[in-house]
Amino acid sequence: DIQMTQSPSSLSASVGDRVTITCRASQGISNYLAWYQQKPGKVPKLLIYAASTLKSGAPSRFSGSGSGTDFTLTISSLQPEDVATYYCQKYNSAPITFGQGTRLEIK
Amino acid sequence: EVQLVESGGGLVQPGRSLRLSCAASGFTFDDYAMHWVRQAPGKGLEWVSGINWNSGSMAYADSVKGRFTISRDSATNSLYLQMNSLRPEDTAFYYCARDQGYSISWPDYWGQGTLVTVSS
Repeated sequence: DIQMTQSPSSLSASVGDRVTITCRASQGISNYLAWYQQKPGKVPKLLIYAASTLKSGAPSRFSGSGSGTDFTLTISSLQPEDVATYYCQKYNSAPITFGQGTRLEIK
Repeated sequence: EVQLVESGGGLVQPGRSLRLSCAASGFTFDDYAMHWVRQAPGKGLEWVSGINWNSGSMAYADSVKGRFTISRDSATNSLYLQMNSLRPEDTAFYYCARDQGYSISWPDYWGQGTLVTVSS
């Protein structure tokens, strides 16, 4: 099965910073990748699908890129409400797999 | 508005069975694949199982294959997860989630979850 590895596992950044989270697949998955945001105590929310397509209604400061095995989620200007854990998920074939998560905090 | 309401969680002894249900509303249930995703307290997300729009295709995580069975009922707009031979490591919040389309891909809406605790 394909494994998804996120880095870093956690990070702390200042409001206004540009933040990048990386997700690596153990095999190529084309662009079959989604990103989710889970705020503390809340249910996960879809942010991005097809590696780079922003879900309608998601803030435009979020963007995704990549194809094959290497993907990134970028927050262009970090806001306090972005404190959350972020997960990548591959869906090219079953079993669907999530990354282990990246916990983002405000410095 | 898409609504997914899980039920059936609770405390169960190792080796016993439990059946989770998910009541779906606010969308045409037959047009979408569905998923179960779990999250142990304080841990990350783990996809458990998915089923396509017409029950023609089901898939499972290796960790539950042979023990869990996913099913759906279009007459009642419901999704189910039959969990047998439960283990302590199955303890988690179980989320019902709607896929973005007919076949198993990515979930776009999630329920609030139901807690399953496996303990003696």
